[in-house]
Amino acid sequence: EAEVAQSPRYKITEKSQAVAFWCDPISGHATLYWYRQILGQGPELLVQFQDESVVDDSQLPKDRFSAERLKGVDSTLKIQPAELGDSAMYLCASSSPRGGELTEAFFGQGTRLTVV
Amino acid sequence: GNSVTQMEGPVTLSEEAFLTINCTYTATGYPSLFWYVQYPGEGLQLLLKATKADDKGSNKGFEATYRKETTSFHLEKGSVQVSDSAVYFCALSDPQGAQKLVFGQGTRLTINP
Repeated sequence: EAEVAQSPRYKITEKSQAVAFWCDPISGHATLYWYRQILGQGPELLVQFQDESVVDDSQLPKDRFSAERLKGVDSTLKIQPAELGDSAMYLCASSSPRGGELTEAFFGQGTRLTVV
Repeated sequence: GNSVTQMEGPVTLSEEAFLTINCTYTATGYPSLFWYVQYPGEGLQLLLKATKADDKGSNKGFEATYRKETTSFHLEKGSVQVSDSAVYFCALSDPQGAQKLVFGQGTRLTINP
């Protein structure tokens, strides 16, 4: 069964360091999402791609976060410099909307980031 | 903007009890509604969905009905099992928007044997 792959599963980094997460969506899915899930809260969208283009990054802290999906397939989310408040689960998801409607988003297992 | 409100948790029940987790939403247009489940250490999995008013989504004994008049999508199950222990998220997607999911804060469910 096709899955969204994310790596690493866990990451511990010191504040002010750089950190990067990788996501490989389900093959053929044009839409890719990065969500941040703070402990005890629901996921919040950071950035959404349609193929290689960003369609929504309104909640992405652009002074320290960046995301790219250069060939419209896999994606990288980077934080530089990391802050203590960035500790969270970072979830990647992909979907293949039908007729412009989102029918289901498939999520990876996430990367749990701890900033110390 | 679009938003989802879930009943606060955590919720603790005994096995075979009846479950209701409340979910209400605020949205422009006519959103699709979803329930996702997150088991410990895993990502989110779609549990069920409904795309228009009065639709009932169902899966694994869980049900939820899209109620436009009360802007609600409450999750129910007649007899819960220990294996249902997880965090449950209600979410919406506005088909007129960018097809992103907006989530509630989640409800942690624990079922005791």
